[in-house]
Amino acid sequence: SAVISQKPSRDICQRGTSLTIQCQVDSQVTMMFWYRQQPGQSLTLIATANQGSEATYESGFVIDKFPISRPNLTFSTLTVSNMSPEDSSIYLCSVEETAGETQYFGPGTRLLVL
Amino acid sequence: AQKVTQAQTEISVVEKEDVTLDCVYETRDTTYYLFWYKQPPSGELVFLIRRNSFDEQNEISGRYSWNFQKSTSSFNFTITASQVVDSAVYFCALMNNNAGNMLTFGGGTRLMVKP
Repeated sequence: SAVISQKPSRDICQRGTSLTIQCQVDSQVTMMFWYRQQPGQSLTLIATANQGSEATYESGFVIDKFPISRPNLTFSTLTVSNMSPEDSSIYLCSVEETAGETQYFGPGTRLLVL
Repeated sequence: AQKVTQAQTEISVVEKEDVTLDCVYETRDTTYYLFWYKQPPSGELVFLIRRNSFDEQNEISGRYSWNFQKSTSSFNFTITASQVVDSAVYFCALMNNNAGNMLTFGGGTRLMVKP
């Protein structure tokens, strides 16, 4: 399976600021996704990162708050904008090497907003 | 709509005991995929198994085994002779290609294995 890395692994941020999380894959993949896991909760899909076009957001998530880029088949970024303490979560990217196949997850980014 | 239910939020066992984690799913589609992932305290999600809806054969991998029963919409996971390293949160998930390959996760079961 693809090897996935995320930067940063963790961060502590002040409210009102923004943080950009990077997801790098060691091989070209068809699909990339971003998930949020709030403390003690399950995973919720934020959006599908589409290469060369705008991301597809799930209900409850908007581009102004979570802008996503995917400039190529191995890299994506998620920005958490104008952060509040409610944004404190683990953010995970996942990939499918082929659409409809198994999703593999990165190590996650632990974000704490004060 | 898809839904995955893991009724057991937390299970505690003593090392060497067997433990079964329950997973019940809902979907209207005939073609779908079921997954189990493990999330140790480090936070990374580790893929354990993928099963498609047409394959009801049970699977065994070392101390892990999975029982898929379409008649009851269940995909249960058993750990035999549990070990402390099995302590983690386990997630069951459902993928339906008609839903854009979106993974729907259950709420997770926290397993604590005590020495």
